[in-house]
Amino acid sequence: LAKTTQPISMDSYEGQEVNITCSHNNIATNDYITWYQQFPSQGPRFIIQGYKTKVTNEVASLFIPADRKSSTLSLPRVSLSDTAVYYCLVKGGYQKVTFGTGTKLQVIP
Amino acid sequence: NAGVTQTPKFRVLKTGQSMTLLCAQDMNHEYMYWYRQDPGMGLRLIHYSVGEGTTAKGEVPDGYNVSRLKKQNFLLGLESAAPSQTSVYFCASQTGNSNQPQHFGDGTRLSIL
Repeated sequence: LAKTTQPISMDSYEGQEVNITCSHNNIATNDYITWYQQFPSQGPRFIIQGYKTKVTNEVASLFIPADRKSSTLSLPRVSLSDTAVYYCLVKGGYQKVTFGTGTKLQVIP
Repeated sequence: NAGVTQTPKFRVLKTGQSMTLLCAQDMNHEYMYWYRQDPGMGLRLIHYSVGEGTTAKGEVPDGYNVSRLKKQNFLLGLESAAPSQTSVYFCASQTGNSNQPQHFGDGTRLSIL
């Protein structure tokens, strides 16, 4: 199983761009990289997924270098409602799902 | 569209009691999962199912049993609850394409005294 490593916590002011990096040195060829967001007392919610290079959707961007051993989730202009735990997940099939401990993002007014 | 629904939301048990947690999804998903989440830790996979009538062990299966008699339901059972099973339990479902994201319920908070 590909293990992921993320910073335990991060602080950011409202309106700033936040970048959270995840290391996954043992990622396999078939693995995808998926990011989830979790608020207290709720289940994780899908944010974005990618395999290589860059992926962008309406809430975030995901940057993946050529060697795919890390990835960076970018949240543009964060607000207080973005305060949550963010999980990087390396997934190569239903039985190989591995959640790390996540990054607790605190957005400061 | 309800998505993934877990019942109950909260439960307190005494050591040695048994109970079943129910997960229901209305998205016609093939795959379903049960995770537990303990303070300061990520989600750990307990059991999963790739289709009706099939189940398999995940990372931490000991002390739990599961059943998938109907495609839309995935049951997690504790035959003899132990304090170490105090946790928040999350169910998730996913389409048959394993590269698609999982959809999670809002969890069941279980305390074993």
